[in-house]
Amino acid sequence: DIQMTQSPSSVSASVGDRVTITCRASHSISNWLAWYQQKPGKAPKFLIFDASSLQSGVPSRFSGSGSGTDFSLTISSLQPEDFATYYCQQTNRFPLTFGGGTRVEIK
Amino acid sequence: QVQLVESGGGVVQPGRSLRLSCAVSGFTLNDYPMHWVRQAPGKGLEWVAVVSDDGTSQYYTDSVRGRFTISRDNSKNTLYLRMNSLTVEDTALYYCAREAPEEVAGIDYWGQGTLVTVSS
Repeated sequence: DIQMTQSPSSVSASVGDRVTITCRASHSISNWLAWYQQKPGKAPKFLIFDASSLQSGVPSRFSGSGSGTDFSLTISSLQPEDFATYYCQQTNRFPLTFGGGTRVEIK
Repeated sequence: QVQLVESGGGVVQPGRSLRLSCAVSGFTLNDYPMHWVRQAPGKGLEWVAVVSDDGTSQYYTDSVRGRFTISRDNSKNTLYLRMNSLTVEDTALYYCAREAPEEVAGIDYWGQGTLVTVSS
């Protein structure tokens, strides 16, 4: 199975900050990577697919990059509604696997 | 609008079985593969299983293979997850989720989840 490792596990930031979260795959997954946002008590929200393609309706301050084994999610200017937990997921092969999550907290 | 509504969760003893259901509306179920994803209390997301749009193919995460069965009845617009030999490690909120349309690799719609608690 492909293991997904996210870092950091949590980050404290202020509104307006630039935040970058990284995700590493145990094997090459080309660009088969998705990102999700989850707020407390809510279902996850689909943000990015194919490592860098923004899902419809997602603000442009979110961006993704990477290929192979190393990926990142960047929020260019953190907004109050962005405080949440973010998960990467490899979509390359079954079983699909998620990273452990990165919690973005208010500084 | 797209809606996915899970049901069937509850408290069950270890070793027992449970069947979850997910009623969908707002889209044509037989056009989409469907997933179950779970989240243990205070923990991260864990992908559980997927079934193809026509129900002929299924894949599972290692920890549930042989115990869980994902299935669907497109005529009833319903997805199922049959869970046998439950253990305390299966305690989680179980989400029903839709795979995004072709050309988009990911899960685009999620239900609100149904809670399964395995406890003696």
